[in-house]
Amino acid sequence: NAGVTQTPKFQVLKTGQSMTLQCAQDMNHNSMYWYRQDPGMGLRLIYYSASEGTTDKGEVPNGYNVSRLNKREFSLRLESAAPSQTSVYFCASTGAYEQYFGPGTRLTVT
Amino acid sequence: GENVEQHPSTLSVQEGDSAVIKCTYSDSASNYFPWYKQELGKGPQLIIDIRSNVGEKKDQRIAVTLNKTAKHFSLHITETQPEDSAVYFCAAIATGGFKTIFGAGTRLFVKA
Repeated sequence: NAGVTQTPKFQVLKTGQSMTLQCAQDMNHNSMYWYRQDPGMGLRLIYYSASEGTTDKGEVPNGYNVSRLNKREFSLRLESAAPSQTSVYFCASTGAYEQYFGPGTRLTVT
Repeated sequence: GENVEQHPSTLSVQEGDSAVIKCTYSDSASNYFPWYKQELGKGPQLIIDIRSNVGEKKDQRIAVTLNKTAKHFSLHITETQPEDSAVYFCAAIATGGFKTIFGAGTRLFVKA
């Protein structure tokens, strides 16, 4: 039981490049989330998926897209990366109320 | 919208002392209040939680109290140890809600 896994762990992009962050959970959870964490800013919700087949915007969705590929997988895409998207990205899933977080992806956009 | 305020943002204590972190929430429909600990380079992990029908909950050296009338809840860590050094987040969620509202975090330093 691996919990929530994320790939890659680290990534450096140039401005304008695109990439997809991958997330998978093996706990049969319905809900999945993407957060970004910036120094001193806590966790900000980018997008979430309450159940397979649905996605909704969170607090800071601009510049991102998501896909709930199936119940296990929820990906985050940056179509045209900007320096303001330099951050640590966490994926999480929820069964009842508790959120289980992945180890994070540290993204730098130069 | 819903929000959770958390204080202090930084807390430094001597090993063996107690640490208290306080949070206030705005959504009166909130009924589940978890606390997460984030160690350096890792994702947050649940350490304790409390539901609205309970005023206090303890688990070894950590305890959480809830005052629903005042919309306050607090985390208490007794006999702090260096390994308690981390960032702590409070959060609130309403029944049937899909979004957990997090506080901004408290960075706790425990000095040996």
